[in-house]
Amino acid sequence: AQSVTQLGSHVSVSEGALVLLRCNYSSSVPPYLFWYVQYPNQGLQLLLKYTTGATLVKGINGFEAEFKKSETSFHLTKPSAHMSDAAEYFCAVMRTSYDKVIFGPGTSLSVIP
Amino acid sequence: EAGVAQSPRYKIIEKRQSVAFWCNPISGHATLYWYQQILGQGPKLLIQFQNNGVVDDSQLPKDRFSAERLKGVDSTLKIQPAKLEDSAVYLCASSLIIGQGGTDTQYFGPGTRLTVL
Repeated sequence: AQSVTQLGSHVSVSEGALVLLRCNYSSSVPPYLFWYVQYPNQGLQLLLKYTTGATLVKGINGFEAEFKKSETSFHLTKPSAHMSDAAEYFCAVMRTSYDKVIFGPGTSLSVIP
Repeated sequence: EAGVAQSPRYKIIEKRQSVAFWCNPISGHATLYWYQQILGQGPKLLIQFQNNGVVDDSQLPKDRFSAERLKGVDSTLKIQPAKLEDSAVYLCASSLIIGQGGTDTQYFGPGTRLTVL
């Protein structure tokens, strides 16, 4: 069965500092991988996704993530945090294009002025 | 382009009562999803429709939860009777069609926050 682990339920960074949110997955086959962001009282919004091809994926709002098969990881990064980045971030995996999406437990990001 | 609409946004009921949620997906989207998001957890898929047919309802507690998608457009999710552990945010999402190599993006509505007392 697929699963997603997000290390750290809460991460705090200073404004302008590097953002690093960790995601590890378990899957028997190379999966499809996603990062979603959820702002308070809103639904989820797709930040970026990996399907095939280049392992470094760029998304919206300056975020990017790198698929590392050997480490079964898909960590999310942003070089410089902005106050507007404060939100809940979810990593998700899909085994095949016909499978359901499995979400991780989420990481709450706080940005300190 | 209008997004996924959900109503109501908030609902408070007592246990053993019934409740229904409504979702209107993005126009033209064939696939519709209902997720349950318990506080502090990621969303969990309850049911997935392709047009008006059910694709996956393996995680839907069928003794109390039901869902339908009328004419392949709007959908309603019902809980009868509600339990305390049903307190959660119920998210609706839609996408163009499944099976597109994982490239098909799901668009989420704002959710309905249910509190069961």
